[in-house]
Amino acid sequence: EAQVTQNPRYLITVTGKKLTVTCSQNMNHEYMSWYRQDPGLGLRQIYYSMNVEVTDKGDVPEGYKVSRKEKRNFPLILESPSPNQTSLYFCASSMGMDNEAFFGQGTRLTVV
Amino acid sequence: GENVEQHPSTLSVQEGDSAVIKCTYSDSASNYFPWYKQELGKRPQLIIDIRSNVGEKKDQRIAVTLNKTAKHFSLHITETQPEDSAVYFCAARSSGTYKYIFGTGTRLKVLA
Repeated sequence: EAQVTQNPRYLITVTGKKLTVTCSQNMNHEYMSWYRQDPGLGLRQIYYSMNVEVTDKGDVPEGYKVSRKEKRNFPLILESPSPNQTSLYFCASSMGMDNEAFFGQGTRLTVV
Repeated sequence: GENVEQHPSTLSVQEGDSAVIKCTYSDSASNYFPWYKQELGKRPQLIIDIRSNVGEKKDQRIAVTLNKTAKHFSLHITETQPEDSAVYFCAARSSGTYKYIFGTGTRLKVLA
C-alpha cells in the first residue's frame, strides 16, 4: 500500500531534550516536506527536499533541522525543543512539484 | 514575506446550496495552486488543483478558478452534501521551488 508513515504519532517531551520525528514514504517520490499545523494558522512549511541531499527552508524553519540521506526518509530533528514547538506535524511527499502531495497521519508533539 | 489570504474562515451552507472559498496570493512567481480538504482528525487530501496557464478547472461538483492578474483563485462546490463538511486549505507554490504557502483554512459546515 502506497503511504507516508510518520513516527511517533504522539509525543510528550520536556524542554531541551533532543528528539527526532521520522518520515518514510514507499512511493519513490522525489519531493518531501514537513509542515506544522496550529489552530488559526493553517499549515506552515518547515523544510522541504527536492531530492537526496537537497533540502531548503520553508516558511518557519527556526528550531528545526532535516536531512535527506536516502530517497524514502526525511526525518525532522528538534535539537532543543521549546514549548512554542508544541504542534501537529505532517510529513508529505509527491512525485513532482505539481503533483498531489500525500500526507502522513500526523505527529502530535507536546513540549512541556 | 510571501503569504496567502483565505476567506471566509468559517462558512455554513444548507445542503444543496453552493459554497465559495476565496484565496489571494502575493508571490507573482506562484504557478501552482492546490486545494486540500481535511476532515476532523484526518490528514489533508488533495481535492483539486490548477496551474497558472489555466483559468478554470472542474471535477464533478468541484471547480477552481484562477485570475493571475488579480492573484486570486477560488474554490466552488456545488450541490453541497453533509460529507463536504471539513476544513479546506488553499495553497500556492512558487515556480522552480517546492516551497508552499498555505492559507489559514476555511471550516465549511453543510447543514442537513
